[in-house]
Amino acid sequence: EVQLVETGGGLVQPGRSLKLSCVASGFTFNNYWMSWTRQAPGKGLEWVASITNSGGSTYYPDSVKGRFTISRDNAQNTLYLQMNSLRSEDTATYYCTRIGGYGSYYFDYWGQGVMVTVSS
Amino acid sequence: DIVLTQSPALAVSLGQRATISCKTNQNVDYYGNSYMHWYQQKPGQQPKLLIYLASNLASGIPARFSGRGSGTDFTLTIDPVEADDTATYYCQQSRNLPTFGAGTKLELK
Repeated sequence: EVQLVETGGGLVQPGRSLKLSCVASGFTFNNYWMSWTRQAPGKGLEWVASITNSGGSTYYPDSVKGRFTISRDNAQNTLYLQMNSLRSEDTATYYCTRIGGYGSYYFDYWGQGVMVTVSS
Repeated sequence: DIVLTQSPALAVSLGQRATISCKTNQNVDYYGNSYMHWYQQKPGQQPKLLIYLASNLASGIPARFSGRGSGTDFTLTIDPVEADDTATYYCQQSRNLPTFGAGTKLELK
């Protein structure tokens, strides 16, 4: 059974940093691209970062580029999201997602999510 | 960015057909595939993949769910609707960097 378990969320002040982790199990982690997607309270879904299976390439939307960094440790089956210079608009539930179908870029498994609140 | 437009809400009766639409401002077809996907999200839960590449049923999803479309116009159909289908449904394109529609909330009449 595929499982994605996120940790590391919490309350953080604007301008500070936070690092999320996602431990994966039930599949061969280093065969899959992985991603983070977020959802602000009462709002829709927004993709925020992706990484290739080797970790050699990363992708971001303009809203987080230069502030967020996605990375992975294939030996530990763990995905990370380093978030710097946090803003109030980054307040959201962050989901760890597996990208299914090589090249098709859909999210076939989602974690339960972890809440990040940016507030003074 | 590719913009996806969905109607905010839809109300249907139990046992009837629900058709949820998603329109894009750019063509999401490429080399014979339509890079459109659909998700279901119930309150307090994470989203679940229903349909990938416009018409392929994801693993474990009942055949009451189906998807069709190409180019810029896509639909998700639920037939027949059951009580458990009340949720918000999102479309997502992957022709370019991923973007989602705003979601359609399905309610029962």
